[in-house]
Amino acid sequence: ETGVTQTPRHLVMGMTNKKSLKCEQHLGHNAMYWYKQSAKKPLELMFVYNFKEQTENNSVPSRFSPECPNSSHLFLHLHTLQPEDSALYLCASSQQFQETQYFGPGTRLLVL
Amino acid sequence: DAKTTQPNSMESNEEEPVHLPCNHSTISGTDYIHWYRQLPSQGPEYVIHGLTSNVNNRMASLAIAEDRKSSTLILHRATLRDAAVYYCILMGGYNKLIFGAGTRLAVHP
Repeated sequence: ETGVTQTPRHLVMGMTNKKSLKCEQHLGHNAMYWYKQSAKKPLELMFVYNFKEQTENNSVPSRFSPECPNSSHLFLHLHTLQPEDSALYLCASSQQFQETQYFGPGTRLLVL
Repeated sequence: DAKTTQPNSMESNEEEPVHLPCNHSTISGTDYIHWYRQLPSQGPEYVIHGLTSNVNNRMASLAIAEDRKSSTLILHRATLRDAAVYYCILMGGYNKLIFGAGTRLAVHP
């Protein structure tokens, strides 16, 4: 049990759908992260939230919209995605930014 | 941004030690060296980290070169459950969190 949970674990959506990924951490951490891992590619950092404020957006397309309502929850809202957005989306948290990260199990997304 | 380089893959036999190297020649004085591993179908998990001195924990040991431009993750006795992709990354300062391709470790019975 890593203390970081993600739902759903699997998601299939069409290109016109709107869906949201949820991440919750029970570790009392102040920083949360979204990563994308495409097949046979390294993890790509997408967004960073530090004390609920977005501090990093690595040139992510606007069809991905993060939300951090409190320090325990992080969402990734998805709309009008493309098939190339199919990937494993990982959430992580750390006590402070740039400290040891604890990852959730990921949401495997398939866009048709 | 500081980068790390690792071999694409390594192999080991069960019960033998494994030394996974990482080069980070552009490391700055405030960067910590972190190691994570990702087992199949799972998110990455923290293994160990250090700054200057060698570190040991229940999972592994981390040996850091005196000039800090390289480090080695040591698994003292590899098991089949250690088969994973091992990532060496630098954290701290103004570095972006960049995961490279990592080293895919295969462990043979």
